[in-house]
Amino acid sequence: DTEVTQTPKHLVMGMTNKKSLKCEQHMGHRAMYWYKQKAKKPPELMFVYSYEKLSINESVPSRFSPECPNSSLLNLHLHALQPEDSALYLCASSQGDEQFFGPGTRLTVL
Amino acid sequence: GQNIDQPTEMTATEGAIVQINCTYQTSGFNGLFWYQQHAGEAPTFLSYNVLDGLEEKGRFSSFLSRSKGYSYLLLKELQMKDSASYLCAVQDTGGFKTIFGAGTRLFVKA
Repeated sequence: DTEVTQTPKHLVMGMTNKKSLKCEQHMGHRAMYWYKQKAKKPPELMFVYSYEKLSINESVPSRFSPECPNSSLLNLHLHALQPEDSALYLCASSQGDEQFFGPGTRLTVL
Repeated sequence: GQNIDQPTEMTATEGAIVQINCTYQTSGFNGLFWYQQHAGEAPTFLSYNVLDGLEEKGRFSSFLSRSKGYSYLLLKELQMKDSASYLCAVQDTGGFKTIFGAGTRLFVKA
């Protein structure tokens, strides 16, 4: 298994909703990442987990809450989001240099 | 500060060769990635350079000069499917943080 999977593919939520994005990899990678990508912009790093511990938080607002339940799973819990949070949310994993990206979740906040 | 520059757009003809340049000024440097990203899809890994010089991989080659803060991606025998955004990304010294350039949108015409 050489891929990163993400669910859901698309998500529409209101500003008062609570939802979660899920990411999974079975490549044995010990580093996992969340990126946010707006249209025609590069991915921006949000969080990095290394060996299931949060190692980087790029000053992300607290309405985004990451969780790494085990070495294969990475979640991003969303609460009280704003319309400007609408974007493609990419998960990635790595062991060594190459990062493997998942297909992303396209999030729309109404 | 962190600064990664690459041209916004380029156009080339099917069968031709195109070179996409990237210059960077970052506080730390572990290596440089090139990714390809088709519209609405996740980035896919093309190359990773750590040492100065040219790395060739099929129709794609990537060059790095650490002293000049410069890299390029060379695409040969262009195909229509090569129309995509090409992202230059610098990996920070710690190894986890990757900073992306804004990307170069390449249009391949018949």
